[in-house]
Amino acid sequence: DTGVSQDPRHKITKRGQNVTFRCDPISEHNRLYWYRQTLGQGPEFLTYFQNEAQLEKSRLLSDRFSAERPKGSFSTLEIQRTEQGDSAMYLCASSLALIKQGDYEQYFGPGTRLTVT
Amino acid sequence: DAKTTQPPSMDCAEGRAANLPCNHSTISGNEYVYWYRQIHSQGPQYIIHGLKNNETNEMASLIITEDRKSSTLILPHATLRDTAVYYCIVRGRSGNTGKLIFGQGTTLQVKP
Repeated sequence: DTGVSQDPRHKITKRGQNVTFRCDPISEHNRLYWYRQTLGQGPEFLTYFQNEAQLEKSRLLSDRFSAERPKGSFSTLEIQRTEQGDSAMYLCASSLALIKQGDYEQYFGPGTRLTVT
Repeated sequence: DAKTTQPPSMDCAEGRAANLPCNHSTISGNEYVYWYRQIHSQGPQYIIHGLKNNETNEMASLIITEDRKSSTLILPHATLRDTAVYYCIVRGRSGNTGKLIFGQGTTLQVKP
């Protein structure tokens, strides 16, 4: 399967613990996005990378959240000192952006469902 | 905030065409209309996009009005597996982040 993959698919953690999620994009895609989705709502943008550079962060991304894409391939999203309000589905998407043609459609992974107890 | 308005829910009989409307009256000249759908507990799935001409692919057809202020996604022969939340999104393709701004979408229920 050459689509976007995410790991783990489910994570249950206790309040105050740190968690880290991984996203592997489609291999030739240079852009990688993170979104968060709570129950009954559409996904909300968190941050995105072009290659290894993090170019935009939403105000939703508090200081407890950090994302990396060290070699421009896979990405990790870490949440420190988790709170119950962090319970959500965390979605990763990737796309190909070309200088002249612009940004093509995004393809999403299956998501990581986080439950903070 | 999302730049689109969609009905919160719709029903469709299996085998019939599902026509999902979307209003985007403030769309800019360089913005495309994208449609995604999300089946329960899965990531959003790209369906189709267009700028001003009608588009068709193996999944659906997209009809954009001449003034580009609204569009309709057509699933020609809906099946039970098409039951999902459908999101209509407008965004540019260059000079910006490309982030998708999702609204509430339309929950399509396909009934046998």
